Amino acid sequence: DGGITQSPKYLFRKEGQNVTLSCEQNLNHDAMYWYRQDPGQGLRLIYYSQIVNDFQKGDIAEGYSVSREKKESFPLTVTSAQKNPTAFYLCASSILIQSNQPQHFGDGTRLSIL
Amino acid sequence: GQSLEQPSEVTAVEGAIVQINCTYQTSGFYGLSWYQQHDGGAPTFLSYNALDGLEETGRFSSFLSRSDSYGYLLLQELQMKDSASYFCAVRDRGNTGKLIFGQGTTLQVKP
Repeated sequence: DGGITQSPKYLFRKEGQNVTLSCEQNLNHDAMYWYRQDPGQGLRLIYYSQIVNDFQKGDIAEGYSVSREKKESFPLTVTSAQKNPTAFYLCASSILIQSNQPQHFGDGTRLSIL
Repeated sequence: GQSLEQPSEVTAVEGAIVQINCTYQTSGFYGLSWYQQHDGGAPTFLSYNALDGLEETGRFSSFLSRSDSYGYLLLQELQMKDSASYFCAVRDRGNTGKLIFGQGTTLQVKP
């Protein structure tokens, strides 16, 4: 079955540590996205990518970095510069970023600070 | 800037009908979407309106009025499993079509 796989489901970060969240999709989608969700809040866009080797900052990119070396993969690194990383992180993909096609989401990674 | 407003909480009883409203302000407009998210889970797509009017998908319907910058999600014959958060989202032409989400409405369905 096609879908989006995020790993790990839970992740703990120590002070000053970078951590990387994995996102893999086998839907053959061109566009991929990373969102952050805080308790009781909506989704805020961190980074998005329309095509391999290209990505753009979203609304809250500071303290995060991404790469898009393969169409299927869009990992997110939460760097030590992100002072408040505790949140639920969601990865999504869609056929084309400017189309009316829906975004398909992974099950998320819950990141906490030790 | 772009913003969406929706009620934070709605409560209804099983079998009833509930309407979740969404008003938006965007520099451009390219459709209103609705997503459902159960607690701790992945958001799932429910519906999309690009033109004015009502779109029906089973027990769920979505309405859009572009002149009023307003839409709503209508849930009929409520079931306990409908208890979830519902988000409206817009694609803004002025921002490469990325989605902007509202804060979400938590629907609690009671027996």
